[in-house]
Amino acid sequence: GQNIDQPTEMTATEGAIVQINCTYQTSGFNGLFWYQQHAGEAPTFLSYNVLDGLEEKGRFSSFLSRSKGYSYLLLKELQMKDSASYLCAVRDLGSNYQLIWGAGTKLIIKP
Amino acid sequence: EAQVTQNPRYLITVTGKKLTVTCSQNMNHEYMSWYRQDPGLGLRQIYYSMNVEVTDKGDVPEGYKVSRKEKRNFPLILESPSPNQTSLYFCASSSTSSLGVGELFFGEGSRLTVL
Repeated sequence: GQNIDQPTEMTATEGAIVQINCTYQTSGFNGLFWYQQHAGEAPTFLSYNVLDGLEEKGRFSSFLSRSKGYSYLLLKELQMKDSASYLCAVRDLGSNYQLIWGAGTKLIIKP
Repeated sequence: EAQVTQNPRYLITVTGKKLTVTCSQNMNHEYMSWYRQDPGLGLRQIYYSMNVEVTDKGDVPEGYKVSRKEKRNFPLILESPSPNQTSLYFCASSSTSSLGVGELFFGEGSRLTVL
């Protein structure tokens, strides 16, 4: 079956580093996306991985291991505005190239 | 400015009263999709469209209809709304490639309450 797992909630301290994990099982992996969603707002695109390795974009980095069905989003130098939900989504050939979404990880930043 | 526009943003209605949520994008995207988001369940796809006149069911299509007569518009129709359709709805669009759907651009959301 198709499944995406993320922790439900995480807490971190302002200025620190946090890693949000995402594991997936799909019939035809074809790319992984990370989105950020502040409460009551629309999701916004953060990163995209289709090949193994690390993609860095400022304070945010995303890693993918296709053999392990695993990705993580790394947030450095945490700021209060990073308090949000982080959604992992996998593009799946078996689902007509549609995205399969994880339930999201709510990240709480404390001063 | 590139954007996806949904209307209405907020709506309270009663069971059985037909309603339409409009969605329009100005990025000439081939792909458009509707999602609903409920607490603890994440984003669930209702319907999607790969191009004009091409629509397909997502994971939760029951009780909804869509049409794609023009590239920019993708309205969501609730013919006879029921309380279990109370939710936050998002429209999204994307360009496509040989790999499939790309980065999604979301509308601001439409919060619907059915009494």
